[in-house]
Amino acid sequence: EVFLVESGGDLIQPGGSLRLSCAASGFTFNTYAMYWVRQAPGKGLEWVSALSGSRISLYYRDSVKGRFTISRDNSKNALFLHMNSLRVEDTAVYYCAKDLFSSVVSGVFDSWGQGTLVTVSS
Amino acid sequence: QSVLTQPPSASGTPGQTVTISCSTSNSNIGTNTVSWYLQVPRTAPKLLIYSNTQRPSGVPDRFSGSKSGTSASLAISGLQSGDEGDYFCAAWDDTLHGPLFGGGTKLTV
Repeated sequence: EVFLVESGGDLIQPGGSLRLSCAASGFTFNTYAMYWVRQAPGKGLEWVSALSGSRISLYYRDSVKGRFTISRDNSKNALFLHMNSLRVEDTAVYYCAKDLFSSVVSGVFDSWGQGTLVTVSS
Repeated sequence: QSVLTQPPSASGTPGQTVTISCSTSNSNIGTNTVSWYLQVPRTAPKLLIYSNTQRPSGVPDRFSGSKSGTSASLAISGLQSGDEGDYFCAAWDDTLHGPLFGGGTKLTV
């Protein structure tokens, strides 16, 4: 069974930095693209970033480019999101998600973590 | 900005069939396949449909998806109280270089 467990969410001031982690188990981690998807309070889902299993392909939504960095440690089955210059509008629950298909970046998520809350406020 | 449009709400009684729509005016998105997710309050989303019509293992065949042109639909037959929640469609956006989600449809049974 696939398990994804996020951690690292916190209350942070605007302009601050935070690193989110996602511990994965139950599948061959290095063959699947992984993603971060966020959900602001009371709002819908918003894709944030994607990283292929090989770490060759990575993508960001425009609003986080230059501020967020996605990375993964395939030896430790871990996914990360380094967030800098945080803004109030980055406040959300951040989910780690796994691609349905191996060896591609499809944007279809078959497994999700429980999410970690990032609150950006002064 | 690309948009996937869903009705904000839908409702039905137990046993009925409900259909939720998802449409776009963006032909880029319209050529890509659609996925559907259900999010029960305070839980993570769950994949219901991928590649327009395919169900992951474990998803009941009461859930079915279809797509025609730039519009997609999710049909839920034999409605149950446990089907309540927020339904989101999603499709890859070549401009975004990532998936675009619809605004969500809150289903009440």
